[in-house]
Amino acid sequence: DAGVIQSPRHEVTEMGQEVTLRCKPISGHDYLFWYRQTMMRGLELLIYFNNNVPIDDSGMPEDRFSAKMPNASFSTLKIQPSEPRDSAVYFCASSKGFAYNSPLHFGNGTRLTVT
Amino acid sequence: QQQVKQSPQSLIVQKGGISIINCAYENTAFDYFPWYQQFPGKGPALLIAIRPDVSEKKEGRFTISFNKSAKQFSLHIMDSQPGDSATYFCAAKREGSNYQLIWGAGTKLIIKP
Repeated sequence: DAGVIQSPRHEVTEMGQEVTLRCKPISGHDYLFWYRQTMMRGLELLIYFNNNVPIDDSGMPEDRFSAKMPNASFSTLKIQPSEPRDSAVYFCASSKGFAYNSPLHFGNGTRLTVT
Repeated sequence: QQQVKQSPQSLIVQKGGISIINCAYENTAFDYFPWYQQFPGKGPALLIAIRPDVSEKKEGRFTISFNKSAKQFSLHIMDSQPGDSATYFCAAKREGSNYQLIWGAGTKLIIKP
């Protein structure tokens, strides 16, 4: 079990550029979550998918953010255009169901810096 | 608005001591309370979790105490070790929700050798 794989680990970009973050969930997991972590706001749920279908995107901060899950093994989070306030660590997590014994498995995150 | 308040923000404990992190919630409609541990450069990982029908759960050196009437739950780390140095997050899941976790702000724990 390779765990949740995120790429890139670090991304530095200039304001106005498009940024795409990638995630490969654990095989067999049917829930996928995108979180953002900052010192000021802590862990924020941006969006989550169930069986590749977006269920709740109420945490997506603006229309500049979009997420897709074209298949069970791949998801992307896109920011276009990026702004300095988007700088954060973005985590992808997956789980098998949402029962009490189905924890979230997080990737190691993508540290995004927008200058 | 923050519905899970976590304290302290940071904590320094001597090796072998007991580390205690507290969380309080403001909404009674939570049905699952996990604790996650996060090391630098890594994502959070589930450490231990409890349901509200249980007052205490112990796994090795880690214990969750749950007080439903006070709407409080805490994490106790016995015989704290330098390897326990990490950031700890409490969370609560809304009853009936599809895995909507409300997270505490985190506690940075440092265990001094």
